[in-house]
Amino acid sequence: GAGVSQSPSNKVTEKGKDVELRCDPISGHTALYWYRQSLGQGLEFLIYFQGNSAPDKSGLPSDRFSAERTGGSVSTLTIQRTQQEDSAVYLCASSLDPGPYEQYFGPGTRLTVT
Amino acid sequence: SQQGEEDPQALSIQEGENATMNCSYKTSINNLQWYRQNSGRGLVHLILIRSNEREKHSGRLRVTLDTSKKSSSLLITASRAADTASYFCATPSWGGYNKLIFGAGTRLAVHP
Repeated sequence: GAGVSQSPSNKVTEKGKDVELRCDPISGHTALYWYRQSLGQGLEFLIYFQGNSAPDKSGLPSDRFSAERTGGSVSTLTIQRTQQEDSAVYLCASSLDPGPYEQYFGPGTRLTVT
Repeated sequence: SQQGEEDPQALSIQEGENATMNCSYKTSINNLQWYRQNSGRGLVHLILIRSNEREKHSGRLRVTLDTSKKSSSLLITASRAADTASYFCATPSWGGYNKLIFGAGTRLAVHP
């Protein structure tokens, strides 16, 4: 079956512009996660969705970052007024539910802020 | 801060050799997971070991878990060039299952 998909795969934007990153999880997976991986860094948790609600937003680095999920499916991560330090690979993952299950990752969106 | 720390940071071996990577973590866990990442993009889940398990196998992979030492190891036997990747251990944040905390990873290079 289809895995987690993300779009765009690459995004180059100018500092100060807004960007939207999209994640399409595996059908039937109720839990959805966003992570960020900066150059040379490990993976950093951003936000977790259970259905359409986000009980854990603790990893969002600033109020310029927001995310939503609609219909218990597609999620959009929005970064407003992008800064150069936002340059990273943004990874989305989904799992069957928030239990102790493996997470299935998408291919990521590489964001470059110039 | 990161929950897990992998050791070594980088490992270079020849095809056919075994590769061992270690992971240490800080808090109590329910389970520990290993992931592989090729070319800095999506991660692939390799294996999940629960806190009441000591060893688990999957093909050429063997994972051990020592909760008393808060450490885990991943052994890849008879390595292949295709095993070249970064390997990460990850643990759920304490008290919940929903947030994985990743280590910094081990970069494995397998030379033909």
